Amino acid sequence: GQNIDQPTEMTATEGAIVQINCTYQTSGFNGLFWYQQHAGEAPTFLSYNVLDGLEEKGRFSSFLSRSKGYSYLLLKELQMKDSASYLCAVRDRRGSYIPTFGRGTSLIVHP
Amino acid sequence: EAGVAQSPRYKIIEKRQSVAFWCNPISGHATLYWYQQILGQGPKLLIQFQNNGVVDDSQLPKDRFSAERLKGVDSTLKIQPAKLEDSAVYLCASSPRQGYEQFFGPGTRLTVL
Repeated sequence: GQNIDQPTEMTATEGAIVQINCTYQTSGFNGLFWYQQHAGEAPTFLSYNVLDGLEEKGRFSSFLSRSKGYSYLLLKELQMKDSASYLCAVRDRRGSYIPTFGRGTSLIVHP
Repeated sequence: EAGVAQSPRYKIIEKRQSVAFWCNPISGHATLYWYQQILGQGPKLLIQFQNNGVVDDSQLPKDRFSAERLKGVDSTLKIQPAKLEDSAVYLCASSPRQGYEQFFGPGTRLTVL
C-alpha cells in the first residue's frame, strides 16, 4: 500500500507564495499528481511529475524528489480564488497504476 | 468537449434504502473510476473499469455496493442497503488511458438519514 502525508490546513496572504508539501512511501512509484478542489466541486488536474525536478505551469509549479519520497506544489502571486483543497495523488505500478489520493491540504488565502 | 456527467447531483435517503448513481464519461475514455469522498478527506477509490471490465474493486464493500459498465461507456453505482456511514460525495472520473490524468464529474452528494 501507500502512505501519503500532507498538512491538513495552511493559510497565506493574497499576493504571497505558498508551498504545499506531500510525502509518500511506496515501493512501486510511477508518478505523482496534484489536483485542486474547490469546496463543493470536483477535483481538477494541476500537474504531473514522474521524473525528479521542477515542472512550471504559470503561477503553479510542482517539484519531485523520488529518492526522498517528497513533492511540493508552489503557488505564486496568490489570489483569493486559490482558496481550495490541494490533493496529492501517487501512482504505483504495483497497484494497476491507479493513483491513490492523500487527504488534501486546505489552503485559505486572506486579504 | 463535454465533461464527465453524473446524476443525480444530490440524494437524501433513509438507512436501509437503496440508491443508484449514474455516470457518463468523456467520449473515447476507456478508463472509468468511482470514488467515495467523505468530508475532509481525499477521494477513496471504489472501483476502476477498463472498457467494460473491472480492473480493481478491492475497496468496494461488495456486500452492499455494486457497479457495472455494460457497454464500456456509461456506468452505474448502486448501494443496497445504505448505511449512515455511506454519507459522502460519490465522484466519477474518466481518463483516456489507465493511470493518466483523471477528469472528474461534479459528483453526487449522498446523505443517509
